[in-house]
Amino acid sequence: EVQLLESGGALARPGGSLRLSCAASGFTFANSAMHWVRQAPGKGLEWVSGLSGGGDSSYYADSVKGRFSIYRDNSMNTLHLQMDGLRVDDTALYYCAKASLARVWGSHFDSWGQGTLVTVSS
Amino acid sequence: DIQMTQSPSSLSASVGDRVTITCRASQNIGSYLNWYQQKPGKGPKVLIYAASNLEGGVPSRFSGRGYGTDFTLIISSLQPDDFATYYCQETYSTFTFTFGPGTTVDMK
Repeated sequence: EVQLLESGGALARPGGSLRLSCAASGFTFANSAMHWVRQAPGKGLEWVSGLSGGGDSSYYADSVKGRFSIYRDNSMNTLHLQMDGLRVDDTALYYCAKASLARVWGSHFDSWGQGTLVTVSS
Repeated sequence: DIQMTQSPSSLSASVGDRVTITCRASQNIGSYLNWYQQKPGKGPKVLIYAASNLEGGVPSRFSGRGYGTDFTLIISSLQPDDFATYYCQETYSTFTFTFGPGTTVDMK
């Protein structure tokens, strides 16, 4: 059974940093692209970032480009999101999602975690 | 960037009803369209991928159709477990993976 367990969410100040992690199990981690998707309180889903299975191709939403960095450790089956320069509008529940293919584009998100909450407030 | 719209934004229905949700893309995305279901406090779950393919384990009362810019999710006979919010998503563009704004299905 695929399991994705996010951690690292916390209260942060504007301009601060957080690192989110997603521990994966139940599948061959390196064979799947991985994504971060966020959901602000009471709002819809917003794709944040995606990373290919080999870790060589990464993509970001315009809203986080230059501030967030996605990376993975395939030896530890772990995905990370380094979040710098946090803003109040980054406040959201952050989900880790597994893609159906190793490449980022053209695949669907076939498993999701339960999310980790990031709150940015002064 | 590709923009996704959904209609209606919400609907009220009864068990046994046929429910249709529409999703429209701002440009041609071929079949790169997925549908997800989300219940309160839970992560989303994929129902349909590549416009019309039923994800494994998803009940056959769910179906999807469409190509290009116009897509539809159909629930043939609404069940109690189906009251939820539904999102479409394009995966045509490498850089956006835009979700629609969602359609909430609640009990009439």
